[in-house]
Amino acid sequence: AQSVTQLGSHVSVSEGALVLLRCNYSSSVPPYLFWYVQYPNQGLQLLLKYTSAATLVKGINGFEAEFKKSETSFHLTKPSAHMSDAAEYFCAVIRGDSNYQLIWGAGTKLIIKP
Amino acid sequence: DAGITQSPRHKVTETGTPVTLRCHQTENHRYMYWYRQDPGHGLRLIHYSYGVKDTDKGEVSDGYSVSRSKTEDFLLTLESATSSQTSVYFCATLAGAGRDTQYFGPGTRLTVL
Repeated sequence: AQSVTQLGSHVSVSEGALVLLRCNYSSSVPPYLFWYVQYPNQGLQLLLKYTSAATLVKGINGFEAEFKKSETSFHLTKPSAHMSDAAEYFCAVIRGDSNYQLIWGAGTKLIIKP
Repeated sequence: DAGITQSPRHKVTETGTPVTLRCHQTENHRYMYWYRQDPGHGLRLIHYSYGVKDTDKGEVSDGYSVSRSKTEDFLLTLESATSSQTSVYFCATLAGAGRDTQYFGPGTRLTVL
């Protein structure tokens, strides 16, 4: 069965520091992978997606993610954290046997320390 | 922006009453989804639709029904609301250049007393 695991329900970094949010997946088919961001009291917004093209995917707000098949990972990074990056981040993978249903990670709340 | 609106945005209701949440989209997307979001559970799929009058269950469909009589509207009904259905409900549509990306509405916060 497919699954998504996000390591760390909360990650805290200092402003200006590297942001690394981890996502590992299991999939029996070539995966389509997504990162979404949710700011407080808002809906989810697409950050970036991997659809079997380039393994390094660039998204909005300076975020990027690298697909590593050998590690079944799709970690999200940003070189320098900003206070406005404080939000919850969700990783998801499309189910291989479905009508475009997504399997979601539990989410990681990113905390930015001044 | 996938042109999705949800109504109401906030609702407080009593246990045992029926509740209907509406999702409206303006982009003529075929697929629509209803999720609930609860702390520690991420997003869980309730029901989805792949066309007018074509719907199917998700992983947490008990106590919920849906209807889609028009492309633009996808209704979620709680037949008899319970406190366990207190949650934030999100609607999404499938869009993007490859029609492989879900885009979300702003959500409805439902409290069942």
